[in-house]
Amino acid sequence: DAGVTQSPTHLIKTRGQQVTLRCSPKSGHDTVSWYQQALGQGPQFIFQYYEEEERQRGNFPDRFSGHQFPNYSSELNVNALLLGDSALYLCASSLLDRPTEAFFGQGTRLTVV
Amino acid sequence: AQSVAQPEDQVNVAEGNPLTVKCTYSVSGNPYLFWYVQYPNRGLQFLLKYITGDNLVKGSYGFEAEFNKSQTSFHLKKPSALVSDSALYFCAVRDRLGTSGSARQLTFGSGTQLTVLP
Repeated sequence: DAGVTQSPTHLIKTRGQQVTLRCSPKSGHDTVSWYQQALGQGPQFIFQYYEEEERQRGNFPDRFSGHQFPNYSSELNVNALLLGDSALYLCASSLLDRPTEAFFGQGTRLTVV
Repeated sequence: AQSVAQPEDQVNVAEGNPLTVKCTYSVSGNPYLFWYVQYPNRGLQFLLKYITGDNLVKGSYGFEAEFNKSQTSFHLKKPSALVSDSALYFCAVRDRLGTSGSARQLTFGSGTQLTVLP
């Protein structure tokens, strides 16, 4: 049983560009959350998706958007990239009614130059 | 609002000695509490969690943590440290308010770098 998988593992983008990150949740999980981990900091909650809808959002600008597909996989989109968007982006999956059992992927390292 | 404080950026301990990584939290209701470990260029690996019941929680790799409601603390401990325990440790909290509001998100501390010296 595969756990949470994220792609790509690394990428480099230029300031002003747009990026899409992808996440496949653990089998059987219906909820996907995204976190941003800047260098030297703890992960910060971006948003959570369930039933293809954004259920809650952290303190991030609307340049950050997402989507969840019928198979529960998810995408994180970031527009108009800034240097400060450079970070490790983590995806976590869980069941909505079992929020204490979240599994994290290995992350996507985004570097904005 | 919920928050987590890890007061030590760095903890150094000799191999074989006991280790403690400190965590305090703040939530409006009752907490779910978690510890995760992160190795370089890797995601987060779950170590243990407190949901309810016994205040002493045992987890992976010989780690344990003690929930102290009066001190709002959840310190991570291990009786005998190994060099391979060297990593970045994160404490996290989730409010026990069902599946609505802030309970949807984990709030993490800033992390503590543990170095176990041979």
